Amino acid sequence: GNSVTQMEGPVTLSEEAFLTINCTYTATGYPSLFWYVQYPGEGLQLLLKATKADDKGSNKGFEATYRKETTSFHLEKGSVQVSDSAVYFCASRIIQGAQKLVFGQGTRLTINP
Amino acid sequence: SAVISQKPSRDICQRGTSLTIQCQVDSQVTMMFWYRQQPGQSLTLIATANQGSEATYESGFVIDKFPISRPNLTFSTLTVSNLSPEDSSIYLCSVGWGEAFFGQGTRLTVV
Repeated sequence: GNSVTQMEGPVTLSEEAFLTINCTYTATGYPSLFWYVQYPGEGLQLLLKATKADDKGSNKGFEATYRKETTSFHLEKGSVQVSDSAVYFCASRIIQGAQKLVFGQGTRLTINP
Repeated sequence: SAVISQKPSRDICQRGTSLTIQCQVDSQVTMMFWYRQQPGQSLTLIATANQGSEATYESGFVIDKFPISRPNLTFSTLTVSNLSPEDSSIYLCSVGWGEAFFGQGTRLTVV
């Protein structure tokens, strides 16, 4: 089956710290991988994505690289800001077949000034 | 991209009653997805709604409890029936293939 395991939270950092949120996946096919973000009081929105091995998704200073050898898609940012405080979800989708989007458990990130 | 309007944004309901959530998309889409996000948890897919056919439910979700309508290619409703406190969650609709777009969610509290 298709599943996603995400780093347990919550995570609290100081502004300008380096961020890593780990995400690993299992899949019977070749999934596309996503990071979604949920800001306080808002719906989910796509942060970045990668559709094949070695692709790097990037947006708003965040990056994640699709690593087939380690089945990982870790989210990183070099210098976080208070405005990055949100819940982050890793997700995968097998484009063939069922097309279902499978989410990790979410990581709540709090950035202190 | 797609813009999804979901309503109500929140509601407080009595046990034993039902709540119907509406989802309107600004473009025609084949499939719409309904998710549940329980407090502090991740998103769980409830069902997939195709226009003109019965919804497909995931394991653990049944039509009697979560009836879905899909009258056209831009609209769907999810009803949560016979409410109990365990149904208190955020319910979200979603569309999209390679990239999913989500409504703002409906926060349901059952008292």
